[in-house]
Amino acid sequence: GNSVTQMEGPVTLSEEAFLTINCTYTATGYPSLFWYVQYPGEGLQLLLKATKADDKGSNKGFEATYRKETTSFHLEKGSVQVSDSAVYFCALTSLGSYIPTFGRGTSLIVHP
Amino acid sequence: EAGVTQFPSHSVIEKGQTVTLRCDPISGHDNLYWYRRVMGKEIKFLLHFVKESKQDESGMPNNRFLAERTGGTYSTLKVQPAELEDSGVYFCASRQTSGSYNEQFFGPGTRLTVL
Repeated sequence: GNSVTQMEGPVTLSEEAFLTINCTYTATGYPSLFWYVQYPGEGLQLLLKATKADDKGSNKGFEATYRKETTSFHLEKGSVQVSDSAVYFCALTSLGSYIPTFGRGTSLIVHP
Repeated sequence: EAGVTQFPSHSVIEKGQTVTLRCDPISGHDNLYWYRRVMGKEIKFLLHFVKESKQDESGMPNNRFLAERTGGTYSTLKVQPAELEDSGVYFCASRQTSGSYNEQFFGPGTRLTVL
């Protein structure tokens, strides 16, 4: 079956630091890959997605590249802000499905 | 346009009691999903409604959980009787059907604590 593994948190950074949150996956076929973000007190929001190998998803300064050879979809941001503090979930969907398989979530805490 | 709303935001109950969670999807979204996140673990799919019909309930953990969506609008998820392991955050999401790939929009979740 499908599974997603992401790095344990919390990740604690100072403002303007570089962020990487690792995500690897196991899936049959060619899944679509996603990063969701949950800010405090809010619902999950789709942050970015990639639907085929070598695609790069990007949004709000965050980027992730679909790497089929390493089955990875690592989330990066060059300079984090305090407002980026949230829980980040890596996820995938199989072809034809709208139901994501999620990772465990990684909490990011950014200090001023 | 209002997003997906869930009520209550937090519920604390004793083991053996009954709790009902409510989800109001975005207006016009035929698809409604329930998910659950147990502390520190993955968000797991529970079930999927298309309008008032259960399309997929393969993720429902056991028969203590009952989901309804009468009239195809809001949905309720009842847990009766609640057990300690039911504690977690219950998310609802909705999605429209028409068009190409349509993302799910998630609510803020209901945090359920069973003591």
